[in-house]
Amino acid sequence: DAGITQSPRHKVTETGTPVTLRCHQTENHRYMYWYRQDPGHGLRLIHYSYGVKDTDKGEVSDGYSVSRSKTEDFLLTLESATSSQTSVYFCAIREDYSPLHFGNGTRLTVT
Amino acid sequence: RKEVEQDPGPFNVPEGATVAFNCTYSNSASQSFFWYRQDCRKEPKLLMSVYSSGNEDGRFTAQLNRASQYISLLIRDSKLSDSATYLCVVNGDSGAGSYQLTFGKGTKLSVIP
Repeated sequence: DAGITQSPRHKVTETGTPVTLRCHQTENHRYMYWYRQDPGHGLRLIHYSYGVKDTDKGEVSDGYSVSRSKTEDFLLTLESATSSQTSVYFCAIREDYSPLHFGNGTRLTVT
Repeated sequence: RKEVEQDPGPFNVPEGATVAFNCTYSNSASQSFFWYRQDCRKEPKLLMSVYSSGNEDGRFTAQLNRASQYISLLIRDSKLSDSATYLCVVNGDSGAGSYQLTFGKGTKLSVIP
């Protein structure tokens, strides 16, 4: 399996609190992605990165920010969590024209 | 038209059956195509890439039809362990779109003893 680790694996937080999810890779892949997966919607792209300090928005970026200060780490931050952000979050990595490889996911519950 | 569409199923098939899934995509300039498998409460895992000439991996065959803009996955001699959700994935065209891969919502397969 590709060397990709997400932390935490599970988190419960209250509405209005900030939350940061971490994705760490040991593959030195250029591209990193954050997806969320919800019943009835499938996997939807939140943000992605195509290099250190190079990021762009996906289709559901509102309420989320990201940072990539080094190749191996891609952070997803919910500045003020809402119940609609309760979801399973997957990080993924890839190289040019290659498939995505996913982390194990983070289950986030916002109460 | 949605970017990537799949029949959600569920497909309930007996062991040993052959089953096929299709996935249509809207961007005619898409260059890369993949099938993923996702088990319940797990991350998606790559099943196979889809090449222009079609490709086979054991009991699994993937095909691409650019003219009609769909990809297909054929599973022969279904096993109980094939029960999962199958996701098709398509990338964008050149430039920034090529960074993004779009997922279908998945087709659920249940193989019954």
